[in-house]
Amino acid sequence: GEDVEQSLFLSVREGDSSVINCTYTDSSSTYLYWYKQEPGAGLQLLTYIFSNMDMKQDQRLTVLLNKKDKHLSLRIADTQTGDSAIYFCAESPGGGATNKLIFGTGTLLAVQP
Amino acid sequence: GAVVSQHPSRVICKSGTSVKIECRSLDFQATTMFWYRQFPKQSLMLMATSNEGSKATYEQGVEKDKFLINHASLTLSTLTVTSAHPEDSSFYICSASHRNPEWDIHNEQFFGPGTRLTVL
Repeated sequence: GEDVEQSLFLSVREGDSSVINCTYTDSSSTYLYWYKQEPGAGLQLLTYIFSNMDMKQDQRLTVLLNKKDKHLSLRIADTQTGDSAIYFCAESPGGGATNKLIFGTGTLLAVQP
Repeated sequence: GAVVSQHPSRVICKSGTSVKIECRSLDFQATTMFWYRQFPKQSLMLMATSNEGSKATYEQGVEKDKFLINHASLTLSTLTVTSAHPEDSSFYICSASHRNPEWDIHNEQFFGPGTRLTVL
């Protein structure tokens, strides 16, 4: 099947904003998610957006959803060195009926001091 | 939030041996558990979905006789890698979910910290 695509790498300076992009595949996905993975660790849910929303803001995080283009983005304001990690978007295909998550290819965010 | 543990965190074994990895939900009852594997610098690939008391559902291309999954209770699922080979070396991550209408996200999955398997 098709992959959930993300850019591989993003480098920003501390204090700048980071924007991580994702193109997903299943238009029936009810929820779309952003997860963070630090080296050698499991996944931490950062935020999510319901498919009938265009935008969701949660403190430094802003999620934008373009359903027509199946495009999802995560903006991190005032990026800190502690934000350095791999970020995965994920979709729940089939409207969430199966409870499965399909993960994107992951974006490594490097924050330079 | 809900906590999921995995044991062991790291394991090194010889080729041909079997390895068992445990996944536990510590403060909630997990009706469904998922097993993923992650190769270096790659995404998580879903291996199987496990519902308590029933057989696991494996993703296409995952050998069910090689990766044995047991979900015997609402708080424990195990993944056994049988006759392990070096190509099975990977990072295995489990997650657990429970349908709870009081929770914010429908069917949210909570992830364990992962198990690093190295087969020599």
